[in-house]
Amino acid sequence: AQKITQTQPGMFVQEKEAVTLDCTYDTSDPSYGLFWYKQPSSGEMIFLIYQGSYDQQNATEGRYSLNFQKARKSANLVISASQLGDSAMYFCAMSAGGTSYGKLTFGQGTILTVHP
Amino acid sequence: SAVISQKPSRDICQRGTSLTIQCQVDSQVTMMFWYRQQPGQSLTLIATANQGSEATYESGFVIDKFPISRPNLTFSTLTVSNMSPEDSSIYLCSGAGTGGITEAFFGQGTRLTVV
Repeated sequence: AQKITQTQPGMFVQEKEAVTLDCTYDTSDPSYGLFWYKQPSSGEMIFLIYQGSYDQQNATEGRYSLNFQKARKSANLVISASQLGDSAMYFCAMSAGGTSYGKLTFGQGTILTVHP
Repeated sequence: SAVISQKPSRDICQRGTSLTIQCQVDSQVTMMFWYRQQPGQSLTLIATANQGSEATYESGFVIDKFPISRPNLTFSTLTVSNMSPEDSSIYLCSGAGTGGITEAFFGQGTRLTVV
Protein backbone atom coordinates (compact mmCIF):
# COMPACT_ATOMS: atom_id res chain seq x y z
CA ALA A 1 0.00 0.00 0.00
CA GLN A 2 1.09 3.55 -0.66
CA LYS A 3 1.20 6.34 1.88
CA ILE A 4 1.77 10.07 1.52
CA THR A 5 2.53 12.29 4.49
CA GLN A 6 2.37 16.07 4.58
CA THR A 7 3.35 17.27 8.02
CA GLN A 8 2.67 20.99 7.58
CA PRO A 9 -1.03 21.76 8.08
CA GLY A 10 -0.39 25.44 7.30
CA MET A 11 2.44 27.55 5.92
CA PHE A 12 2.90 31.30 5.64
CA VAL A 13 5.16 33.12 3.23
CA GLN A 14 5.81 36.70 2.27
CA GLU A 15 5.02 37.73 -1.27
CA LYS A 16 8.02 37.31 -3.63
CA GLU A 17 9.79 34.90 -1.30
CA ALA A 18 10.29 31.18 -1.89
CA VAL A 19 8.52 28.49 0.14
CA THR A 20 9.00 24.72 0.48
CA LEU A 21 6.09 22.38 1.11
CA ASP A 22 7.11 19.02 2.52
CA CYS A 23 6.00 15.60 1.33
CA THR A 24 7.25 12.15 2.24
CA TYR A 25 6.00 8.92 0.76
CA ASP A 26 6.13 5.21 1.28
CA THR A 27 5.69 2.44 -1.26
CA SER A 28 7.17 -0.95 -2.02
CA ASP A 29 6.61 -0.50 -5.75
CA PRO A 30 9.84 0.41 -7.62
CA SER A 31 7.84 2.28 -10.28
CA TYR A 32 5.77 5.22 -9.12
CA GLY A 33 4.92 8.81 -9.86
CA LEU A 34 4.69 11.79 -7.56
CA PHE A 35 2.34 14.70 -8.18
CA TRP A 36 1.56 18.06 -6.69
CA TYR A 37 -1.83 19.73 -7.02
CA LYS A 38 -3.15 23.13 -6.02
CA GLN A 39 -6.72 23.42 -4.79
CA PRO A 40 -8.10 26.95 -4.49
CA SER A 41 -11.27 27.65 -2.55
CA SER A 42 -13.33 26.87 -5.68
CA GLY A 43 -12.49 23.19 -5.16
CA GLU A 44 -10.91 22.37 -8.50
CA MET A 45 -7.68 20.39 -8.56
CA ILE A 46 -4.96 22.09 -10.59
CA PHE A 47 -2.03 19.90 -11.66
CA LEU A 48 1.32 21.55 -10.93
CA ILE A 49 4.16 19.12 -11.43
CA TYR A 50 5.08 15.45 -11.85
CA GLN A 51 8.16 13.41 -10.94
CA GLY A 52 8.70 9.82 -12.01
CA SER A 53 10.60 7.44 -9.78
CA TYR A 54 13.19 6.78 -12.47
CA ASP A 55 13.67 10.41 -13.45
CA GLN A 56 17.27 11.45 -12.89
CA GLN A 57 16.62 15.17 -12.67
CA ASN A 58 14.26 17.11 -10.47
CA ALA A 59 11.13 18.26 -12.27
CA THR A 60 10.54 21.95 -12.88
CA GLU A 61 7.50 23.81 -14.23
CA GLY A 62 7.86 27.57 -14.25
CA ARG A 63 7.96 28.76 -10.63
CA TYR A 64 7.42 25.22 -9.34
CA SER A 65 10.18 22.72 -8.76
CA LEU A 66 10.16 19.36 -7.08
CA ASN A 67 13.03 18.48 -4.77
CA PHE A 68 13.11 14.70 -5.22
CA GLN A 69 15.25 12.78 -2.74
CA LYS A 70 14.63 9.13 -3.47
CA ALA A 71 16.71 7.66 -0.67
CA ARG A 72 14.84 9.79 1.86
CA LYS A 73 11.50 9.17 0.12
CA SER A 74 10.75 12.84 -0.03
CA ALA A 75 9.25 14.97 -2.80
CA ASN A 76 9.10 18.54 -1.58
CA LEU A 77 7.50 21.29 -3.67
CA VAL A 78 9.39 24.55 -3.97
CA ILE A 79 7.48 27.62 -5.08
CA SER A 80 9.74 30.51 -6.01
CA ALA A 81 8.74 34.18 -6.01
CA SER A 82 5.41 33.58 -4.24
CA GLN A 83 2.36 35.49 -5.46
CA LEU A 84 -0.86 36.34 -3.66
CA GLY A 85 -2.66 34.00 -6.04
CA ASP A 86 -0.62 31.09 -4.72
CA SER A 87 -2.70 31.09 -1.53
CA ALA A 88 -4.51 27.73 -1.64
CA MET A 89 -4.46 24.16 -0.39
CA TYR A 90 -1.62 22.05 -1.82
CA PHE A 91 -1.75 18.27 -2.08
CA CYS A 92 1.04 15.81 -2.69
CA ALA A 93 -0.06 12.56 -4.33
CA MET A 94 1.40 9.32 -5.58
CA SER A 95 0.50 6.80 -8.22
CA ALA A 96 2.15 3.41 -8.16
CA GLY A 97 2.59 1.17 -11.15
CA GLY A 98 1.05 -2.13 -12.13
CA THR A 99 -2.59 -2.57 -11.23
CA SER A 100 -2.54 0.72 -9.32
CA TYR A 101 -1.75 2.69 -12.47
CA GLY A 102 -3.55 5.99 -12.44
CA LYS A 103 -4.92 5.71 -8.91
CA LEU A 104 -3.76 8.56 -6.73
CA THR A 105 -3.12 8.40 -3.01
CA PHE A 106 -3.19 11.87 -1.47
CA GLY A 107 -1.54 13.45 1.53
CA GLN A 108 -3.45 15.49 4.07
CA GLY A 109 -2.65 18.77 2.35
CA THR A 110 -0.94 22.02 3.34
CA ILE A 111 -2.74 25.37 3.37
CA LEU A 112 -0.42 28.03 2.00
CA THR A 113 -1.07 31.67 2.81
CA VAL A 114 0.88 34.36 0.98
CA HIS A 115 1.10 37.70 2.77
CA PRO A 116 1.56 40.98 0.87
CA SER B 1 -3.37 17.62 -21.76
CA ALA B 2 -7.00 16.51 -21.81
CA VAL B 3 -9.82 18.57 -20.36
CA ILE B 4 -12.64 17.09 -18.25
CA SER B 5 -15.96 18.89 -18.08
CA GLN B 6 -17.79 17.95 -14.90
CA LYS B 7 -21.34 18.90 -14.05
CA PRO B 8 -23.11 20.02 -12.04
CA SER B 9 -20.54 22.25 -10.38
CA ARG B 10 -22.64 22.39 -7.22
CA ASP B 11 -26.01 21.28 -5.95
CA ILE B 12 -28.12 21.32 -2.83
CA CYS B 13 -30.21 18.17 -2.46
CA GLN B 14 -32.80 16.80 -0.09
CA ARG B 15 -31.93 13.76 1.97
CA GLY B 16 -33.18 10.51 0.52
CA THR B 17 -32.81 11.67 -3.08
CA SER B 18 -30.11 10.81 -5.63
CA LEU B 19 -27.79 12.94 -7.72
CA THR B 20 -25.94 11.93 -10.88
CA ILE B 21 -22.64 13.67 -11.68
CA GLN B 22 -21.29 13.58 -15.21
CA CYS B 23 -17.74 13.83 -16.55
CA GLN B 24 -16.97 14.32 -20.23
CA VAL B 25 -13.36 14.17 -21.45
CA ASP B 26 -12.31 15.87 -24.66
CA SER B 27 -10.14 12.91 -25.67
CA GLN B 28 -9.97 9.20 -24.98
CA VAL B 29 -8.46 8.23 -21.66
CA THR B 30 -7.46 4.82 -20.45
CA MET B 31 -8.49 5.20 -16.85
CA MET B 32 -11.11 7.27 -15.08
CA PHE B 33 -11.53 7.59 -11.35
CA TRP B 34 -13.98 9.09 -8.88
CA TYR B 35 -12.89 10.73 -5.62
CA ARG B 36 -14.68 12.15 -2.62
CA GLN B 37 -13.38 15.04 -0.54
CA GLN B 38 -15.25 15.50 2.71
CA PRO B 39 -15.17 18.97 4.31
CA GLY B 40 -11.67 19.86 5.49
CA GLN B 41 -10.28 16.49 4.40
CA SER B 42 -8.10 15.09 1.67
CA LEU B 43 -9.29 13.19 -1.38
CA THR B 44 -10.32 9.57 -1.06
CA LEU B 45 -10.71 7.27 -4.03
CA ILE B 46 -14.24 5.90 -4.43
CA ALA B 47 -13.78 3.68 -7.47
CA THR B 48 -12.15 3.09 -10.82
CA ALA B 49 -14.59 3.47 -13.70
CA ASN B 50 -13.94 0.66 -16.18
CA GLN B 51 -15.11 1.01 -19.74
CA GLY B 52 -17.85 -1.48 -20.57
CA SER B 53 -17.75 -3.30 -17.25
CA GLU B 54 -18.54 -2.79 -13.60
CA ALA B 55 -16.55 -0.27 -11.64
CA THR B 56 -13.95 -1.41 -9.15
CA TYR B 57 -14.74 -0.02 -5.69
CA GLU B 58 -12.36 0.81 -2.88
CA SER B 59 -12.87 -0.46 0.63
CA GLY B 60 -15.75 1.32 2.30
CA PHE B 61 -17.60 2.17 -0.91
CA VAL B 62 -20.32 0.04 -2.46
CA ILE B 63 -22.09 -0.05 -5.79
CA ASP B 64 -25.57 0.37 -4.33
CA LYS B 65 -24.59 3.70 -2.81
CA PHE B 66 -22.32 4.95 -5.62
CA PRO B 67 -23.31 3.35 -8.93
CA ILE B 68 -20.91 4.29 -11.73
CA SER B 69 -21.22 4.02 -15.47
CA ARG B 70 -18.60 4.33 -18.17
CA PRO B 71 -20.13 3.58 -21.56
CA ASN B 72 -17.09 4.73 -23.58
CA LEU B 73 -13.56 6.10 -23.22
CA THR B 74 -14.64 9.73 -22.88
CA PHE B 75 -17.62 9.69 -20.50
CA SER B 76 -18.51 8.54 -16.99
CA THR B 77 -21.19 9.17 -14.40
CA LEU B 78 -21.30 8.77 -10.63
CA THR B 79 -24.62 8.62 -8.79
CA VAL B 80 -24.83 9.37 -5.10
CA SER B 81 -27.90 7.43 -3.96
CA ASN B 82 -30.25 7.84 -1.04
CA MET B 83 -28.30 10.82 0.18
CA SER B 84 -27.79 11.85 3.78
CA PRO B 85 -26.05 14.95 5.19
CA GLU B 86 -22.89 12.83 5.61
CA ASP B 87 -22.64 12.69 1.80
CA SER B 88 -22.03 16.43 1.67
CA SER B 89 -18.64 16.60 -0.03
CA ILE B 90 -16.81 17.62 -3.15
CA TYR B 91 -16.86 14.85 -5.73
CA LEU B 92 -14.16 14.84 -8.39
CA CYS B 93 -13.48 12.72 -11.43
CA SER B 94 -10.04 12.27 -12.90
CA GLY B 95 -8.50 10.72 -15.96
CA ALA B 96 -5.12 9.26 -16.85
CA GLY B 97 -4.02 9.44 -20.46
CA THR B 98 -3.06 6.66 -22.81
CA GLY B 99 0.46 8.00 -23.15
CA GLY B 100 1.54 7.18 -19.63
CA ILE B 101 0.77 8.81 -16.37
CA THR B 102 2.78 11.98 -16.35
CA GLU B 103 -0.34 13.96 -15.58
CA ALA B 104 -3.58 12.94 -13.93
CA PHE B 105 -6.11 15.66 -14.65
CA PHE B 106 -9.33 16.46 -12.85
CA GLY B 107 -12.76 17.80 -13.58
CA GLN B 108 -13.80 21.02 -11.86
CA GLY B 109 -15.49 19.13 -9.03
CA THR B 110 -19.09 18.95 -7.80
CA ARG B 111 -19.78 20.57 -4.45
CA LEU B 112 -22.71 18.67 -2.97
CA THR B 113 -24.70 19.78 0.05
CA VAL B 114 -27.38 17.47 1.44
CA VAL B 115 -30.02 19.04 3.66
